[in-house]
Amino acid sequence: QSVLTQPASVSGSPGQSITISCTGTSSDVGDYNYVSWYQQHPGKAPRLMIYDVSNRPSGVSNRFSGSKSGNTASLTISGLQAEDEADYYCSSYRSSSTLVVIFGGGTKLTVL
Amino acid sequence: QVQLVQSGAEVKKPGASVKVSCKASGYTFTTYGITWVRLAPGQGLQWMGWISTYNGNTNYAQKLQGRVTLTTETSTNTAYMELRSLRYDDTAVYYCARRPRGSGFFDSWGQGTLVTVSS
Repeated sequence: QSVLTQPASVSGSPGQSITISCTGTSSDVGDYNYVSWYQQHPGKAPRLMIYDVSNRPSGVSNRFSGSKSGNTASLTISGLQAEDEADYYCSSYRSSSTLVVIFGGGTKLTVL
Repeated sequence: QVQLVQSGAEVKKPGASVKVSCKASGYTFTTYGITWVRLAPGQGLQWMGWISTYNGNTNYAQKLQGRVTLTTETSTNTAYMELRSLRYDDTAVYYCARRPRGSGFFDSWGQGTLVTVSS
């Protein structure tokens, strides 16, 4: 399955805010409110940060927020901290012959 | 607490099969689905498929259809992923993750299992 489009990398200084975009199509991001975001540190398992576009699981800092407009979803991290440096992946349902899940290519966040 | 513990690393030859296990604890196994995701070197996460632990229904990624089989053993709260006809580009870390029923997200993950395909 094709991936959702994310920037390869973003960066920001401690305390700043950054936004990572995730662009799909009308068959996935644009058609479902099932966009989620995962954080992955090197050598670790992914961690759910946002689900259903804008919901935060228990234990995730309120510095993380999600939104969607049309075929593009976004993850915003405010008040950047050193520990936010990681890879971030978006995912969405996609309708094809069956309902499948697709991921974005991932974005490397560097905290300067 | 919720835990998904996967089996250890594997090294396989091209054309062989591998079966990775994922043992769940800390919740009622049959009330959540299990999905499998892999991360190949230098690439992004790839969804492989999911299975209902309630009735065994499965849904696979088209790219892996015919080579992958997901199963569960409810008596031991364990899920399995078998991948056949291994190729070099199947070298990856394989993760199992818990999927709340009817949802599109995965809220708890195993530690990952490295599968290396090498001659």
